[in-house]
Amino acid sequence: QQPVQSPQAVILREGEDAVINCSSSKALYSVHWYRQKHGEAPVFLMILLKGGEQKGHEKISASFNEKKQQSSLYLTASQLSYSGTYFCGTEKAVQGGKLIFGQGTELSVKP
Amino acid sequence: GAGVSQSPSNKVTEKGKDVELRCDPISGHTALYWYRQSLGQGLEFLIYFQGNSAPDKSGLPSDRFSAERTGGSVSTLTIQRTQQEDSAVYLCASSLGFGPQETQYFGPGTRLLVL
Repeated sequence: QQPVQSPQAVILREGEDAVINCSSSKALYSVHWYRQKHGEAPVFLMILLKGGEQKGHEKISASFNEKKQQSSLYLTASQLSYSGTYFCGTEKAVQGGKLIFGQGTELSVKP
Repeated sequence: GAGVSQSPSNKVTEKGKDVELRCDPISGHTALYWYRQSLGQGLEFLIYFQGNSAPDKSGLPSDRFSAERTGGSVSTLTIQRTQQEDSAVYLCASSLGFGPQETQYFGPGTRLLVL
């Protein structure tokens, strides 16, 4: 079942923060985050595994709330280069690897 | 090192024709995935291959779609008797192993337009 991302779109000014959520009705084992710029391939950001582990990558970090079956991606002090569509991909099986992706969140960072 | 490559980058075909899309995964990657992305939509899983195991075809939308992976490397996605609703970007990805913690690396995609 496809995870639900929110918001569907967000517009920021440079330096502002944003949070993108990814929710599932099924128990999850892992959540993968990708960013895709228009006309380009999705680029891997990070993976979060069951256990509520939080990860960080420069000014982009994410958390995984196992109880809520929700992952949140945090973008702080946004830069123009952060613009793109963010996708979460979820896997519910410990031995699985087939990701089911959300519909995406379009992020636009303006000067 | 070289990433995932796909060919052709663009394909325009007429309704009813067959098309073949090719994917070259990263060398040494044992798992290979195909996704479809319609305009403004998310990534729809189609099929994956893992080593010598039988492929998981559960995402293929109809029997007009098929895929094979030869020698554990290159993969070809074939769409027979194409329909206009098949128009989309077809993305291939590969990962070193297979599992929920494995990172999938995507190719640039093939943009298919069925007239």
